[in-house]
Amino acid sequence: EPEVTQTPSHQVTQMGQEVILRCVPISNHLYFYWYRQILGQKVEFLVSFYNNEISEKSEIFDDQFSVERPDGSNFTLKIRSTKLEDSAMYFCASTGSRETQYFGPGTRLLVL
Amino acid sequence: AQKITQTQPGMFVQEKEAVTLDCTYDTSDPSYGLFWYKQPSSGEMIFLIYQGSYDQQNATEGRYSLNFQKARKSANLVISASQLGDSAMYFCAMREGVGGGGNKLTFGTGTQLKVEL
Repeated sequence: EPEVTQTPSHQVTQMGQEVILRCVPISNHLYFYWYRQILGQKVEFLVSFYNNEISEKSEIFDDQFSVERPDGSNFTLKIRSTKLEDSAMYFCASTGSRETQYFGPGTRLLVL
Repeated sequence: AQKITQTQPGMFVQEKEAVTLDCTYDTSDPSYGLFWYKQPSSGEMIFLIYQGSYDQQNATEGRYSLNFQKARKSANLVISASQLGDSAMYFCAMREGVGGGGNKLTFGTGTQLKVEL
């Protein structure tokens, strides 16, 4: 069964460093999303992406964040200068013609 | 106001018993969708069940069913015949607006379910 994959599973970085989180959505899906979950809290929407552009973003998704679909399979989230409060689990999700969002296993980001 | 409210931070159930996890929602949009996801301790988010606002019947997927009460704005998840592997965090989520893709999900705070022998 097709699934969303994410790499790396864990990332530790120093404050101020750039990180790129990678996702491979389900191959025939058209809509892509990033969510984050700070430890012990609920899942929060960051951004949605369709037809090679951002369709919606939340207040969390400020100028430090960017997304890209560099080729036909990958979908990336870049944080330019990480802060301590960026430490969280980051989930990628994708949707096809049906609206159910299928989530990847997540990347645990720890900013020191 | 919270769009999704899950009032049970933790629940216990005996193996093989049924359990209901509560979820209420708040929206003025006539078109919306309600989802339940399971998050085991390993962290991944597993889709369980979906109910559209215009669906006439309650959704069912195997041991999972959704008790959809539109007038009360509730979408409770019922798990029948609980198994030890059902122990996890359960999140209710909502999509507002016409479906078909592209709409964000808004999540509740979750209910931690523990299944006991």
